[in-house]
Amino acid sequence: QSALTQPASVSGSPGQSITISCTGTSSDVGSYNLVSWYQQHPGKAPKLMIYEGSKRPSGVSNRFSGSKSGNTASLTISGLQAEDEADYYCCSYAGSSTFVFGTGTKVTVL
Amino acid sequence: QLQLQESGPGLVKPSETLSLTCTVSGGSISSSSYYWGWIRQPPGKGLEWIGSIYYSGSTYYNPSLKSRVTISVDTSKNQFSLKLSSVTAADTAVYYCARQLWRGNWYFDLWGRGTLVTVSS
Repeated sequence: QSALTQPASVSGSPGQSITISCTGTSSDVGSYNLVSWYQQHPGKAPKLMIYEGSKRPSGVSNRFSGSKSGNTASLTISGLQAEDEADYYCCSYAGSSTFVFGTGTKVTVL
Repeated sequence: QLQLQESGPGLVKPSETLSLTCTVSGGSISSSSYYWGWIRQPPGKGLEWIGSIYYSGSTYYNPSLKSRVTISVDTSKNQFSLKLSSVTAADTAVYYCARQLWRGNWYFDLWGRGTLVTVSS
């Protein structure tokens, strides 16, 4: 069970859109529509942003959206804002009631 | 609203057992809708799922940690606990407890603030 692969960093200017990829295998991301995304500000606990690949919890901005194609899930942040600067992690169900997180992506707002 | 709070020693010696407790307040740990999980994060690194438990005691563990991990639940105290044996410096991390939706959903929707555990002599 290896960590899902994410780019180490992604950056964008305010107002722009950015996309973070999360690449797994046919045993995790590719087999289930059960990818969730978490935002983590420095020194804080992770916060759920997307679940079941593309669903937003109540209270999460609609600027955040999720999708999946094959073994790769993606998180898109549109209308980038300064408060979006944080680390982002994907997580997938990996079968047999196990779960695997991504390597994490640092988002920088230029 | 429901809150989770981790507690336990912040310093553990190598080869000893790390023990943490998560107290659930503002709601019942015996809800049929949730599992309760432990996730850790070494300093400056990513998140790693350790394991999850249902109020009935049913558990699931990360295969890479399974031989050293025990998660238990005490419904009378609204708590669940983590024990990690034979720790090394590599187990130094912030340990989070979290509520996990299941029944085909499988995501962590509520997290504790985390507690740093350092493994050092």
